[in-house]
Amino acid sequence: DSGVTQTPKHLITATGQRVTLRCSPRSGDLSVYWYQQSLDQGLQFLIQYYNGEERAKGNILERFSAQQFPDLHSELNLSSLELGDSALYFCASSGHTDTQYFGPGTRLTVL
Amino acid sequence: EDKVVQSPLSLVVHEGDTVTLNCSYEVTNFRSLLWYKQEKKAPTFLFMLTSSGIEKKSGRLSSILDKKELFSILNITATQTGDSAVYLCAVVTFGNEKLTFGTGTRLTIIP
Repeated sequence: DSGVTQTPKHLITATGQRVTLRCSPRSGDLSVYWYQQSLDQGLQFLIQYYNGEERAKGNILERFSAQQFPDLHSELNLSSLELGDSALYFCASSGHTDTQYFGPGTRLTVL
Repeated sequence: EDKVVQSPLSLVVHEGDTVTLNCSYEVTNFRSLLWYKQEKKAPTFLFMLTSSGIEKKSGRLSSILDKKELFSILNITATQTGDSAVYLCAVVTFGNEKLTFGTGTRLTIIP
């Protein structure tokens, strides 16, 4: 158990819909990262927040957005969902080192 | 663009064998290299390497980094069926704390 929690574990929705994925980092970690893992793309960085502020952006689609709240939990919002958005979405957190600890992931299926 | 390449893509060995997994990288402003093990779900942290030539060891697993030749290896001795997983290598660069992952090596241990 990494100490990072994510909800929900599974999400099944239809094209065009909007979903929210939630992540709570390890106690004391200020940085939260979101990654997408699909079969053909591997693990891809989406976005990083540090203590409530956006710090870095990867190849995140405009339909996707995220935020980190004062209690340091983070949410990833995915809208206008397409079949190709089906993937595993991981949240990770880190403290003062480069080591990132991953949550159990949310498996999103878009039908 | 930062690039991380792992080889082999897939490896099948018998229990008790020793395996060596490879990770090479081409990045700007290298800071650290991390190894993760991914079984069914979340990647779990194994090692973080920042200095050349210093071996990190944990039980039957060990890893070393060569910053001159830009690669790292992960060794697993006396393999067990529980070592079956995808092993991921990732790199962090200065100025960007995201993990850039390789595609992974799928290791299968036959009893």
